[in-house]
Amino acid sequence: QLQLQESGPGLVKPSETLSLTCTVSGGSISSSSYYWGWIRQPPGKGLEWIGTIYYSGSTYYNPSLKSRVTISVDTSKNQFSLKLSSVTAADTAVYYCARLGYSNNWWVGMDVWGQGTTVTVSS
Amino acid sequence: SYELTQPPSVSVSPGQTARITCSGDALPKQYAYWYQQKPGQAPVLVIYKDSERPSGIPERFSGSSSGTTVTLTISGVQAEDEADYYCQSVDSSGTYWVFGGGTKLTVL
Repeated sequence: QLQLQESGPGLVKPSETLSLTCTVSGGSISSSSYYWGWIRQPPGKGLEWIGTIYYSGSTYYNPSLKSRVTISVDTSKNQFSLKLSSVTAADTAVYYCARLGYSNNWWVGMDVWGQGTTVTVSS
Repeated sequence: SYELTQPPSVSVSPGQTARITCSGDALPKQYAYWYQQKPGQAPVLVIYKDSERPSGIPERFSGSSSGTTVTLTISGVQAEDEADYYCQSVDSSGTYWVFGGGTKLTVL
């Protein structure tokens, strides 16, 4: 069964770069049927899509975060990563990674999620 | 930027039917997806492509679409269905994802 696991520092200082990794186990990140995404949820608030990547390296970012976000993939390690620069307290959130299915030219939703990791931005 | 609009809250009694709506200009052209999130847990996909149900999701969960509005229907609501529900879709280009603000379902 496919599992996703987020990892990275739980505390980041303002103006620094947040870095998280999602490790995929029980399946290949290089499957042609899936994209991989990052989503975040500030405390007490709703979900926000950060960006999506394909194993080939193609990326799509939330326009509101695009200037600060980089998502990359390492197929040899079956991992994909998130970097968010110049963080502020507003970036404090639970960060989730997820698998996004694609079939017959249509998305089929984010069907597998990691458990989430809490990142706090504070000095 | 593209937005999806959901009611903040819906309340129903056990055994009744709950309907949660989601509105967005691109919904006539793009599918919607629904997620259930319970406190302290990751979201779970309950409906994809407007009305398809993933394996393992109870039959009481269903979805429908009409124009710029999609609806998640939970028939015979159970106490365990109390959760936040989020709709999700893509913009008209099919590239940029967006979530609705979420609806808190309370089972009275």
